[in-house]
Amino acid sequence: QITLKESGPTLVKPTETLMLTCTFSGVSFSATGAGVGWIRQPPGKALEWLALLYWNDDKRYSSSLKDRLTVTKDSSKNQVVLTLTNVDPLDTGTYYCAHRRSGDGAFNVWGQGAMVTVSS
Amino acid sequence: AIQMTQSPSSLSASVGDRITITCRASQGIRSDLGWYQQKPGIAPKLLIYAASSLESGVPSRFSGSGSGTNFTLTISSLQPEDFATYYCLQDYNYPFTFGQGTRLEIK
Repeated sequence: QITLKESGPTLVKPTETLMLTCTFSGVSFSATGAGVGWIRQPPGKALEWLALLYWNDDKRYSSSLKDRLTVTKDSSKNQVVLTLTNVDPLDTGTYYCAHRRSGDGAFNVWGQGAMVTVSS
Repeated sequence: AIQMTQSPSSLSASVGDRITITCRASQGIRSDLGWYQQKPGIAPKLLIYAASSLESGVPSRFSGSGSGTNFTLTISSLQPEDFATYYCLQDYNYPFTFGQGTRLEIK
């Protein structure tokens, strides 16, 4: 059974760097095309895809955020880390990590989400 | 980036109704599309993958169809637990993009 859980700060000041950790279990690192994605949702708004990290360390990013966004993994800790630099109040929202399944590429298991507020 | 346009943005319906939600891609995406259900305060849940494949454990009243640029999600007979917001997501190419969502409300 695959599980994921996001953790990190709930409040970040403008211009600071946000780091969120996705801790997972039950995944297969050998599955081709599988990985972890990040998705966020501003309050009352739609989902926005942010990034995807494959187990082979290939990384893909949102066009609008690629200059501020980085995803890395620590396989020994079963963690994927999202780093967003120079945050703005518009970065406020719930951040989800989700498992991308091998083969069909669906995001089949999601974390519960982490609410982050950017405010001074 | 590929734009995904969902319609309608909101929909009122009754228990037992059949409803259809549409998602249109700005360019062809083969069948690389999924549908997700989200209830308030809860993470999205995968319903349909590869445009028409029903995720394990999802009731058979949900179905998806389409390929290329036009896709639909159909709920054949609405149940009380189906009132939620629905999103499509294209994973044909990067960056992946969601539709703006369809809020399904009880009439």
